[in-house]
Amino acid sequence: AQSVTQLDSQVPVFEEAPVELRCNYSSSVSVYLFWYVQYPNQGLQLLLKYLSGSTLVKGINGFEAEFNKSQTSFHLRKPSVHISDTAEYFCAVSDIWNDKVIFGPGTSLSVIP
Amino acid sequence: GAVVSQHPSWVICKSGTSVKIECRSLDFQATTMFWYRQFPKQSLMLMATSNEGSKATYEQGVEKDKFLINHASLTLSTLTVTSAHPEDSSFYICSARDRSGGGGYEQFFGPGTRLTVL
Repeated sequence: AQSVTQLDSQVPVFEEAPVELRCNYSSSVSVYLFWYVQYPNQGLQLLLKYLSGSTLVKGINGFEAEFNKSQTSFHLRKPSVHISDTAEYFCAVSDIWNDKVIFGPGTSLSVIP
Repeated sequence: GAVVSQHPSWVICKSGTSVKIECRSLDFQATTMFWYRQFPKQSLMLMATSNEGSKATYEQGVEKDKFLINHASLTLSTLTVTSAHPEDSSFYICSARDRSGGGGYEQFFGPGTRLTVL
């Protein structure tokens, strides 16, 4: 079974500053990794995904993430955040043999003007 | 990308009544759909896997008689919360994967249904 840990439940950051949201996972098999964003009272939007290949993945809205197999991590980064990035961010994992997606507890990103 | 819709987007009901939530894949066929619930300020918890033409697979701790799932076609799954009580109030989200080759293993999520039981 897979599990996902997001060490930071809340991350406050000033506008235009860089941010990193941490994600670690555990799995006994190969996985796919995802980052989703959820704005208040809305569904989920995919930011980016890692399936295979290059470990640096670029997504929408200027976000990127790096897959590190040895550290079982998939941290999300953005070099300069905007007020509009304030939202809940979920890291998720799916093993390559079935469709189940397991979510981490989420990180609440608050961008301070 | 592929689109998943949910209906209704929000519902308020009296305790003891049953509520049906629909999840539709609008432009692709989904042999498998998933139902999640999300409490305020918490993550999504997988409730069950809905399989077209067969019984749903429930996660441990989820009451199958309480949360009835029917996957009647390749584009429609329904979740019925039977005899709803205030503790069932939550945000329910469905998802589906487009296996036609264009989905790229991405799960597409519906916009969610907020259920409030009075």
